[in-house]
Amino acid sequence: AQTVTQSQPEMSVQEAETVTLSCTYDTSESDYYLFWYKQPPSRQMILVIRQEAYKQQNATENRFSVNFQKAAKSFSLKISDSQLGDAAMYFCAYKGVQGGSEKLVFGKGTKLTVNP
Amino acid sequence: DAMVIQNPRYQVTQFGKPVTLSCSQTLNHNVMYWYQQKSSQAPKLLFHYYDKDFNNEADTPDNFQSRRPNTSFCFLDIRSPGLGDAAMYLCATSRALGLLYEQFFGPGTRLTVL
Repeated sequence: AQTVTQSQPEMSVQEAETVTLSCTYDTSESDYYLFWYKQPPSRQMILVIRQEAYKQQNATENRFSVNFQKAAKSFSLKISDSQLGDAAMYFCAYKGVQGGSEKLVFGKGTKLTVNP
Repeated sequence: DAMVIQNPRYQVTQFGKPVTLSCSQTLNHNVMYWYQQKSSQAPKLLFHYYDKDFNNEADTPDNFQSRRPNTSFCFLDIRSPGLGDAAMYLCATSRALGLLYEQFFGPGTRLTVL
């Protein structure tokens, strides 16, 4: 079964600085998607960025970018110019096809604190 | 704004007393999902509906049931809640099944079992 590991339960960053959140995953599939979701306190989970496994180019969305290393099965999220509103739980997620049924598999999350 | 709505946001029930959580969506998406998220753990998929086609995850306890009377609404029924069922329950939708399609999440219902 596919697994997603986020080895940093908590991270902190100073406002305006850069932080990188780590994620590794395990799969035998060749076709899959990877995601980073943000879950602010008491608010819904929203998609931050996604990466298709077949694309070599790293995805970028404004201040958010990923470092996708397919061979190493690593998918880290870099947040540049951190803002107070970036404080949240961040979940790395894998989406593939298991037993003919697609599903999202989440890591346990990293709690990001942004210090003013 | 099109969105996924969950009611109530907080639900308290007694051990063994049936409880129903509600999810509605204005996105007109075909697929609706229910996840269970326990404290400090990853969200875990319980089941999903593709239109009226119900798909249960193999390890979802029989205590958990779901209903989808129409495209907009989906309910999670817990027949006899135990203390171990206390969690955040997340509803999500997507336009269709497939790797390409993004899931949109509601704010969740936090269930407390006394």
